[in-house]
Amino acid sequence: GNSVTQMEGPVTLSEEAFLTINCTYTATGYPSLFWYVQYPGEGLQLLLKATKADDKGSNKGFEATYRKETTSFHLEKGSVQVSDSAVYFCALRGGSNYQLIWGAGTKLIIKP
Amino acid sequence: EAGVTQFPSHSVIEKGQTVTLRCDPISGHDNLYWYRRVMGKEIKFLLHFVKESKQDESGMPNNRFLAERTGGTYSTLKVQPAELEDSGVYFCASSQGSPKDEQYFGPGTRLTVT
Repeated sequence: GNSVTQMEGPVTLSEEAFLTINCTYTATGYPSLFWYVQYPGEGLQLLLKATKADDKGSNKGFEATYRKETTSFHLEKGSVQVSDSAVYFCALRGGSNYQLIWGAGTKLIIKP
Repeated sequence: EAGVTQFPSHSVIEKGQTVTLRCDPISGHDNLYWYRRVMGKEIKFLLHFVKESKQDESGMPNNRFLAERTGGTYSTLKVQPAELEDSGVYFCASSQGSPKDEQYFGPGTRLTVT
């Protein structure tokens, strides 16, 4: 069945550091891929998405490219800020099944 | 426009008791989803309503869980009787006409069963 694997956290970085959070997936067909973010005390928010191979999703300085050959959708940001501290979830949605399949979440801590 | 709201934000109950979680989707959204995250693990799908009908309840863990969506508006998720392993965060999401539309999430209800 479909599944998502993302790097375990917490990930701790200094402000202005480069961020990568790895996400790989297993799916039949051509799933859509998503990154959601949960800031402290808030609900899940869609950060970015990509619906087909080689698409790049981007938002708030974050980027992720749908790589079908490596079944990956790694999240990157060139210079993180303290306000980026949150839990990040990678997810996929595939085929005729509209439920989201989630990774375990990666807690990101940015220190000033 | 109000977002998805969930009530309560946190519930602490004893094993064997009953708890009812409520979700109010964004007005006009036909699709409503329940998910839960247990013990810091991955978020898992529970079920999907289209208006008042259960479209997919394949993720419901057992018959102690009962979900309803009255008149296609708000939804409730009842756990009866609650067990320790039911502790976690329960998220509700809604989307517009097509299930392919973006899902908007509520803040979640943290359930603690002692």
